[in-house]
Amino acid sequence: GDSVTQMEGPVTLSEEAFLTINCTYTATGYPSLFWYVQYPGEGLQLLLKATKADDKGSNKGFEATYRKETTSFHLEKGSVQVSDSAVYFCALREGGSYIPTFGRGTSLIVHP
Amino acid sequence: SQTIHQWPATLVQPVGSPLSLECTVEGTSNPNLYWYRQAAGRGLQLLFYSVGIGQISSEVPQNLSASRPQDRQFILSSKKLLLSDSGFYLCAWSAGQGFKNIQYFGAGTRLSVL
Repeated sequence: GDSVTQMEGPVTLSEEAFLTINCTYTATGYPSLFWYVQYPGEGLQLLLKATKADDKGSNKGFEATYRKETTSFHLEKGSVQVSDSAVYFCALREGGSYIPTFGRGTSLIVHP
Repeated sequence: SQTIHQWPATLVQPVGSPLSLECTVEGTSNPNLYWYRQAAGRGLQLLFYSVGIGQISSEVPQNLSASRPQDRQFILSSKKLLLSDSGFYLCAWSAGQGFKNIQYFGAGTRLSVL
């Protein structure tokens, strides 16, 4: 079956540091890939997505590139802010499926 | 535009009491609906999903149940809560089976069973 593996957290950074959160996946087909963000006490919201190989999703300074050859979708941001502190979930969804597959989430803590 | 409402936001219930959490979606028709649970510091656990009125699929056997009495209404219930039912419950919707389709989440219900 499908699976998504994220790096263990928490990731702790100082403000303006570079961020990478690793995500790799296994899938039987050719899925779309997503990053969702969950701010404290809230539900998840879509951060960015990519639907085919070599696509780059981007939003709010975050980027992730769909790498089919390495089955990866790593999240990056050049300069994090305290307001980026949240839990980040990598996910995939295959065509014909009603159910997306989520990773376990990675907590990011940014200190001033 | 589409919106999803989930309530209550916070709930404290004694062990053995019943539970009813409600979720409604506006601005779309025939959505896929989902209930997830998120234990403290853990990932998402899919509990139920529904692709149409009266159609419920259970992913995890437990003392919870779900119902979809109307197209855009999804209810999570229990007859007798257990301590282990504590957690953060999230309702979500998506459209169709398309692989590009996004999950849209409600704000969540924080349930504490004491």
